Amino acid sequence: DAGVIQSPRHEVTEMGQEVTLRCKPISGHNSLFWYRQTMMRGLELLIYFNNNVPIDDSGMPEDRFSAKMPNASFSTLKIQPSEPRDSAVYFCASSPQGLEQYFGPGTRLTVT
Amino acid sequence: GENVEQHPSTLSVQEGDSAVIKCTYSDSASNYFPWYKQELGKRPQLIIDIRSNVGEKKDQRIAVTLNKTAKHFSLHITETQPEDSAVYFCAASMSGGGADGLTFGKGTHLIIQP
Repeated sequence: DAGVIQSPRHEVTEMGQEVTLRCKPISGHNSLFWYRQTMMRGLELLIYFNNNVPIDDSGMPEDRFSAKMPNASFSTLKIQPSEPRDSAVYFCASSPQGLEQYFGPGTRLTVT
Repeated sequence: GENVEQHPSTLSVQEGDSAVIKCTYSDSASNYFPWYKQELGKRPQLIIDIRSNVGEKKDQRIAVTLNKTAKHFSLHITETQPEDSAVYFCAASMSGGGADGLTFGKGTHLIIQP
């Protein structure tokens, strides 16, 4: 198994631009999570899906953030418009429901 | 919501000695407590976890203990080795981990001195 796949691995963009992060969970896992990691705030849960349905998006910081999971093998996290304070590492994780979460390699986002 | 406190933020031990990292949680409904290890620039990797129906779990040099009454849990690493140097995160959630997101502690930077 290839594990959780995220793309791009690095993204540098200018303030105001739209950013789309992508995630492919491990096949057979039916829960998917988006986390953000910064030095100041640590690892924070943004949103998670069970069986492609968003369950809890209370961690999404603002309306500029949105996430979708159109099918069991793909999810996106979009930031529009991006701001410098969105700079962070964004991790996607997947889990067979009720069991351990496995993290992807992350996307390092820099907004200038 | 859940709040997880982790101590210490930095821990330096001599190679071969033991290391202990402690966490407390606030929500008595939490029942799943994983520990992740993160090396610089890498993803968090699950190293051990414990569920609330168990008080202790061990895997080679790593053990985790849970005290539900006091709402705290700890990671114990024995016979530390240089490759144990990393940041360790504790976390808590209210289900098996697959149906609920994790709330993480702020992390402990473990330094193994040669």
